[in-house]
Amino acid sequence: AQTVTQSQPEMSVQEAETVTLSCTYDTSESDYYLFWYKQPPSRQMILVIRQEAYKQQNATENRFSVNFQKAAKSFSLKISDSQLGDAAMYFCAYRRPSGGGADGLTFGKGTHLIIQP
Amino acid sequence: NAGVMQNPRHLVRRRGQEARLRCSPMKGHSHVYWYRQLPEEGLKFMVYLQKENIIDESGMPKERFSAEFPKEGPSILRIQQVVRGDSAAYFCASSRRTVEGANVLTFGAGSRLTVL
Repeated sequence: AQTVTQSQPEMSVQEAETVTLSCTYDTSESDYYLFWYKQPPSRQMILVIRQEAYKQQNATENRFSVNFQKAAKSFSLKISDSQLGDAAMYFCAYRRPSGGGADGLTFGKGTHLIIQP
Repeated sequence: NAGVMQNPRHLVRRRGQEARLRCSPMKGHSHVYWYRQLPEEGLKFMVYLQKENIIDESGMPKERFSAEFPKEGPSILRIQQVVRGDSAAYFCASSRRTVEGANVLTFGAGSRLTVL
């Protein structure tokens, strides 16, 4: 079974600084998808960024980028120029390719990101 | 274009009662997923449905829990004879037709169930 581990329960960063959230996962698949979701106090789950395992290039979305290390099974999220609105729980998630009906996401336990003004 | 709509947002039940949570997927989405989030935990997959079909219920408890996605109307997650341990936030997500798992899931705002 796949597992996703986020080893940092909480991280704190000064506004405008850069912070990196860690995520590792365990899988025997060679093809899969990785995601970072943000959950602000409103509890809405918002997709931040997505990475296909077959792509070597790291995904980027404006201030958000990932460092995807397939061999190490590591998928960290870097937030540049942190803003107060970035404060939230961040969840790393894994999804295997569809087939056999098992399309659900496997989530880590989350990292609570605090932005210090 | 409304997103994934869940209701009720908050539901309080006494032990032994039934809870029904509803989810209307995004327009054009035919796949629905239910997840449960316990306090201080990530989301745990429960069940994946298409219209009138349960595709994967590997994450759903075998007893008291059921889910449906009828041809017309919202998807329903039903919990019978609720116990305190069922208190959690229940999230619904939807997606378009799945293509090799690449489709992004769009989540609703969740339904928070409190069992007294």
